Amino acid sequence: AQSVTQPDIHITVSEGASLELRCNYSYGATPYLFWYVQSPGQGLQLLLKYFSGDTLVQGIKGFEAEFKRSQSSFNLRKPSVHWSDAAEYFCAVVGGTASKLTFGTGTRLQVTL
Amino acid sequence: GAGVSQTPSNKVTEKGKYVELRCDPISGHTALYWYRQSLGQGPEFLIYFQGTGAADDSGLPNDRFFAVRPEGSVSTLKIQRTERGDSAVYLCASSLDRTGGGAVFGEGSRLTVL
Repeated sequence: AQSVTQPDIHITVSEGASLELRCNYSYGATPYLFWYVQSPGQGLQLLLKYFSGDTLVQGIKGFEAEFKRSQSSFNLRKPSVHWSDAAEYFCAVVGGTASKLTFGTGTRLQVTL
Repeated sequence: GAGVSQTPSNKVTEKGKYVELRCDPISGHTALYWYRQSLGQGPEFLIYFQGTGAADDSGLPNDRFFAVRPEGSVSTLKIQRTERGDSAVYLCASSLDRTGGGAVFGEGSRLTVL
């Protein structure tokens, strides 16, 4: 069965600083990988997804993520964080014939001005 | 509609009562998913519909939970004999295909069982 680990529960960065949120997955073959963002009181919004091909994936709001098979990782990055990026970020995986998303426990991002 | 609509947005009930949560997916989306999100956790899969049929209900925690999608659009999640541990946000998502990801999520129904 697939699983996702987000080792950082809470991260604080200054506005304008760069950001990297870590995600490690467990799955025997190449999975489908996703990053979602959840702002307070709102639903999950898809930031980006990786199915195959180029391992560097561009998403919305200036986010990108890199799939590294050798490290079983799919870390999310942003060069310059904005105060509005403060939210909860979830990494998720879909593996094989399964259609369900398996989520990590999330990383809460706080942005200081 | 433009997005996935879930009603009610908030539901407070007493232990032992019956609850229904409704999901109205994006028009034309054949795949529909229910997830449950407890405080401080990521969403956990409950059930997946492809059209009218439940293609995967492996995430339903027990037989008090049941979901239907009789006409392949609107879905209802039904919880019998609610328990305090059922308190959570119930999220619905829909997508055009069965890849599971890229699905569009609703804002959720927050269930509180007293």
